[in-house]
Amino acid sequence: QVQLQESGPGLVKPSETLSLTCAVSGYSISSGYYWGWIRQPPGKGLEWIGSIYHSGSTYYNPSLKSRVTISVDTSKNQFSLKLSSVTAADTAVYYCARHLGSGWRIDYWGQGTLVTVSS
Amino acid sequence: EIVLTQSPGTLSLSPGERATLSCRASQSVSSSYLAWYQQKPGQAPRLLIYGASSRATGIPDRFSGSGSGTDFTLTISRLEPEDFAVYYCQQYGSSPPGLTFGGGTKVEIK
Repeated sequence: QVQLQESGPGLVKPSETLSLTCAVSGYSISSGYYWGWIRQPPGKGLEWIGSIYHSGSTYYNPSLKSRVTISVDTSKNQFSLKLSSVTAADTAVYYCARHLGSGWRIDYWGQGTLVTVSS
Repeated sequence: EIVLTQSPGTLSLSPGERATLSCRASQSVSSSYLAWYQQKPGQAPRLLIYGASSRATGIPDRFSGSGSGTDFTLTISRLEPEDFAVYYCQQYGSSPPGLTFGGGTKVEIK
């Protein structure tokens, strides 16, 4: 059974960098598929942040591209998100996920982690 | 960038009734690239439908998807108590590669 687990600080100060890691179990990232980050502000809808292919190719939401970096560590079977210069608008539940197929459907999600941006 | 508009925003129905949810795209979308998810409070979304009409593993057959071009529909034939949730459509765009979600439809108990 594939499982994803997000980890990282739950509170980040404005202007600083949000950093999260997603540990994957039950499947080797180096075997394939795309691995992504999606966020959901409290009470609102879903927003795709970006994704990385197992080979390291990255794809970012154009609206966030200038602030986002996604990387993969196949030796630890995990991938990471960095979002710089955060503001209160970046407060959200952050999900990591696996997506596949020609339509990038998301078949496995992490449980999500709430990150609050506040001083 | 393709924008997905879901309607209605909220659907108030009783158990046993039929639910019809709409997802309209601002430009034509390949059916292969359209998916639907269900999200319950405090939980991650769950994949229901992919390729516009294919049910994901373990999804009951009361859930069905249809549509093409710019208009897609998720139908729940007979609502069960566990179906009251928020539903999102999602499309994949290839130029550049990325995902877009609709704003969601909440199906609530009437």
